[in-house]
Amino acid sequence: EIVMTQSPATLSVSPGERGTLSCRASQSVSSNLAWYQQKLGQAPRLLIYGASTRATGIPARFSGSGSGTEFTLTISSLQSEDFAVYYCQQNNDWPPTFGQGTRLEIK
Amino acid sequence: QVHLVESGGGVVQPGRSRRLSCAASGFTFSDYGMHWVRQAPGKGLEWVAIISYDGSNEYYADSVKGRFTVSRDNSKNILYLQMNSLRAEDTAVYYCAQDYCSGGACYVFAYWGQGTLVTVSS
Repeated sequence: EIVMTQSPATLSVSPGERGTLSCRASQSVSSNLAWYQQKLGQAPRLLIYGASTRATGIPARFSGSGSGTEFTLTISSLQSEDFAVYYCQQNNDWPPTFGQGTRLEIK
Repeated sequence: QVHLVESGGGVVQPGRSRRLSCAASGFTFSDYGMHWVRQAPGKGLEWVAIISYDGSNEYYADSVKGRFTVSRDNSKNILYLQMNSLRAEDTAVYYCAQDYCSGGACYVFAYWGQGTLVTVSS
């Protein structure tokens, strides 16, 4: 199965600054990559699919990029509600697999 | 507005069985494949199973194959997960999730329920 590796494990950023999260696949997943946000005690929420398409209702400050094995989630100006854990997930090969998550915390 | 509500979690002894349910509303349930995804305490996400929109196909993670069975009742808008021969490593919050793609399966998890905790312990 495809292994997804996220970095860093924890990212400390000040509100208003940019946050950049990385995700690497053990083999190419083309553009079949999704990002999810999970706040403490809540279910995950779909942010991005197809590597760069925002899901319904997701603010424009969230953007995704990349293809093949290297992907990035960028949050352009962090708001207080953005501090959470973020997961990438590939849906190119079966079974679908997730990264281990990046915790985005307030600096 | 999509709404998914899981139920059926609790404490269960190793080797015993448990059935989870997921009540769906706010969308045409019979048009979408549905998934179960789990999260062990303090850990990441693990896909468990999918059932096609019409219930004709099911696929499972290797970790649960032969022990878990996913099913659905499209007349009642309910998704099920029958879990047999439970092990300590099955302890997790179990989420049901709607597949993003209508009429097919693209393994993108568009909407999630709030989850139900299953604890396998003697």
